[in-house]
Amino acid sequence: NAGVTQTPKFRVLKTGQSMTLLCAQDMNHEYMYWYRQDPGMGLRLIHYSVGEGTTAKGEVPDGYNVSRLKKQNFLLGLESAAPSQTSVYFCASRPWVQETQYFGPGTRLLVL
Amino acid sequence: GQQLNQSPQSMFIQEGEDVSMNCTSSSIFNTWLWYKQEPGEGPVLLIALYKAGELTSNGRLTAQFGITRKDSFLNISASIPSDVGIYFCAGRALTGGGNKLTFGTGTQLKVEL
Repeated sequence: NAGVTQTPKFRVLKTGQSMTLLCAQDMNHEYMYWYRQDPGMGLRLIHYSVGEGTTAKGEVPDGYNVSRLKKQNFLLGLESAAPSQTSVYFCASRPWVQETQYFGPGTRLLVL
Repeated sequence: GQQLNQSPQSMFIQEGEDVSMNCTSSSIFNTWLWYKQEPGEGPVLLIALYKAGELTSNGRLTAQFGITRKDSFLNISASIPSDVGIYFCAGRALTGGGNKLTFGTGTQLKVEL
C-alpha cells in the first residue's frame, strides 16, 4: 500500500514550457486535491476533485488545469509555465467519510 | 476566503521543554486538524478534532478544539530533537467550507540539544 505518490519529484522548466504532474493513490479515495506551498504562505489549494470525472477550482487556480479521468489519478497541468509557478506542489486524497487528507511527498518545480 | 492565523511563526526551544502553539480563524470551524511536516516530505496528520471542547492526545502531543469553535491549540510535552519540523493547523469552515480545508501558515519548531 503506497498511499499517495507523486511524479516527478523534481523538475526544472523554462518559462513558457508545459508539463504535467501526476498524483496517484491506491486507497480508493473519492476526493483528491492539489496544493502549492510557498515560504511563509502555508498550503494553498489549486484545484480539487470530488470524484472521477469531476474537478473544481480552489483558491489559486489560474495558470493550472486538472483532470481526473481515473479515480486513482489526479493530473495537474501547466500549459505555459511562469516563474511565479516555482513552488512545491503537494497532492492529497481522502475518503468521503473523513475530513483527514493524506499527502504525497511533493514535487519541487523550478521555472526559470 | 477563510483565513487561519497560526502562532508563533517559529520557536527555538531547549530539549525537554513543553511547547504550545495555536491557531485562530475568522469564522466557525467544525473540524480542526494538526499536521507535521519534515524537510522534503509531505504533511503527516498528528491529531484530528471534531467537537468543540474536545481534547485529544497522541503520545506527547495534545490538541484541543476551542469552545468558541474559532480556535485550536497544540501542546507538545518534553520536546525531543525529532520534534523538529513545521506544524500546520488546518480546519474546515462550518459554512462555505465545502470539501476543502484551510491551512495555517505553520509554526517552525527548532529544538536545541
